[in-house]
Amino acid sequence: EVQLVESGGGLVKPGGSLRLSCAASGFTFSSYSMNWVRQAPGKGLEWVSSISSSSSYIYYADSVKGRFTISRDNAKNSLYLQMNSLRAEDTAVYYCARGMPSLRYWGQGTLVTVSS
Amino acid sequence: EIVLTQSPGTLSLSPGERATLSCRASQSVSSSYLAWYQQKPGQAPRLLIYGASSRATGIPDRFSGSGSGTDFTLTISRLEPEDFAVYYCQQYGSSGYTFGQGTKLEIK
Repeated sequence: EVQLVESGGGLVKPGGSLRLSCAASGFTFSSYSMNWVRQAPGKGLEWVSSISSSSSYIYYADSVKGRFTISRDNAKNSLYLQMNSLRAEDTAVYYCARGMPSLRYWGQGTLVTVSS
Repeated sequence: EIVLTQSPGTLSLSPGERATLSCRASQSVSSSYLAWYQQKPGQAPRLLIYGASSRATGIPDRFSGSGSGTDFTLTISRLEPEDFAVYYCQQYGSSGYTFGQGTKLEIK
């Protein structure tokens, strides 16, 4: 069974940093592109970043470019999102999701709250 | 960046009725890269349709997708109580993914 489990969310002050993790199991992690998608409270879905299976291709939404860094460790079956210079508008549930061009599997999400 | 506009914003129907949800793109989208998701409160989105018209594994056949170019449709032929949720369309392109703003399907 495919499982994606996010962790690392929490409360952080504006300008602060946070690192999210996504632990994958039930499939050959190194064979799939992975993504981060977020959802602000009461709002719709917003794609954040994608990384190819071997990390050769990395893409970011304009809203996070230069502040967030996606990475993966195929030996540890893990996906990461390093978030720096956080803003109030980054407050959201962050999901990791497998797939390209459609997102077949999703984790349950981790909540990031940016507030003073 | 391709913008996806979903309509209506809210759709009020009764169980047993047919639901038609629209997704319009600001420029042409490859059908291979158009998907639909269902999201219920407190849950992660669930993939329903990929490639504009292919049902994901385990999705009932009352769900169907159609369309091409800039106009895509998700149809639920006969609504079940568990179908009332928010639905999103999504496209994948050179700039990454974009999602529509969602259609809320509520019980009338």
